[in-house]
Amino acid sequence: EAQVTQNPRYLITVTGKKLTVTCSQNMNHEYMSWYRQDPGLGLRQIYYSMNVEVTDKGDVPEGYKVSRKEKRNFPLILESPSPNQTSLYFCASSPQAHQPQHFGDGTRLSIL
Amino acid sequence: RKEVEQDPGPFNVPEGATVAFNCTYSNSASQSFFWYRQDCRKEPKLLMSVYSSGNEDGRFTAQLNRASQYISLLIRDSKLSDSATYLCVVNILAGQNFVFGPGTRLSVLP
Repeated sequence: EAQVTQNPRYLITVTGKKLTVTCSQNMNHEYMSWYRQDPGLGLRQIYYSMNVEVTDKGDVPEGYKVSRKEKRNFPLILESPSPNQTSLYFCASSPQAHQPQHFGDGTRLSIL
Repeated sequence: RKEVEQDPGPFNVPEGATVAFNCTYSNSASQSFFWYRQDCRKEPKLLMSVYSSGNEDGRFTAQLNRASQYISLLIRDSKLSDSATYLCVVNILAGQNFVFGPGTRLSVLP
């Protein structure tokens, strides 16, 4: 089954404790992306990747890192999480950058 | 001005009604356009891509007006299952990033 898989689905953690949210797709897509969704602000792009070893900043990259060492994986790293990073996060992928994206189920992060 | 703006909503319509949503975008270099739907606390799902000539998929019709920089979505014969938030999405090819509108919430009432 074609899918984008995020882990964990839910996480409650404390300020400053490094965390990684994994994202994996099994569709051989070149383009992958991370978003956060907050009430009243909608979905905002954090980082995106056009292909392996190619990443770029979206609209809200501060406080986040990503890597794209393999085509299927695009982890989101919060080196020192802060409460303002409490949000619902989505990973997405598409065959190419201009094509519609397929989203994962989402990860709800709470930073205390 | 926000890059992508949508009707604020919410729209509350009876079953069987026709409802239209509008979306405007500010970057004239935008290349690709989509409508997604999102159910409460779920992931966005592609409803349809929007092509220059306009396109239809069953009860759904999407239109693009590049000169005026707006996109529309028409839903005919609304069903209860159409209740969701509808997201307008614009892709600026040069920047390769996607910008989502804030969404318009639709409630179809029995």
